Amino acid sequence: EPEVTQTPSHQVTQMGQEVILRCVPISNHLYFYWYRQILGQKVEFLVSFYNNEISEKSEIFDDQFSVERPDGSNFTLKIRSTKLEDSAMYFCATRGTDDYEQYFGPGTRLTVT
Amino acid sequence: AQKITQTQPGMFVQEKEAVTLDCTYDTSDPSYGLFWYKQPSSGEMIFLIYQGSYDQQNATEGRYSLNFQKARKSANLVISASQLGDSAMYFCAMREGPDRDDKIIFGKGTRLHILP
Repeated sequence: EPEVTQTPSHQVTQMGQEVILRCVPISNHLYFYWYRQILGQKVEFLVSFYNNEISEKSEIFDDQFSVERPDGSNFTLKIRSTKLEDSAMYFCATRGTDDYEQYFGPGTRLTVT
Repeated sequence: AQKITQTQPGMFVQEKEAVTLDCTYDTSDPSYGLFWYKQPSSGEMIFLIYQGSYDQQNATEGRYSLNFQKARKSANLVISASQLGDSAMYFCAMREGPDRDDKIIFGKGTRLHILP
């Protein structure tokens, strides 16, 4: 069964550093999302992306965040200057044209020290 | 106001018993969708079941069924014949609006423990 993959599974970075989280969507999916889950809390929407542009973003998704699909396959989330409060599990989700459900990747655990 | 409310932070259930996880939602949009996701201790988010607001019948997927009561704005998940592997965090979630690319809003979750 096709699945969403994410790399790395765990990233440790120092405050102020840039990180790039990568997602490989299911091959025929065209709608992409990033969510985050701070430890012990609920999953929060960050951004949705379709047709090479952002469809919607939350108030969490400030100027420190950016997304792109650089090579037509990977979908990336960049955090320019990480803060301690960016420590969380980051989930990529993708959806096919005829689907309602969003399929989540296994997540990247980001730890900012 | 909370869009998705899950009132049970934790539940303990004996193996083989049926389980009902509660979820109520709040929206004024006539078109919406309701989801349940399972998050085991390993952390991944597993899609379980979907119910559209215009669907006439309650959704079912194997041992999972969604008890959709539109007037009460309730979308409880029922797991029949629970198994030890059902122990996990369960999230109720909602998509508001008719567009399938709308974001999903999650509840705070219910941690389910299945006892042998």
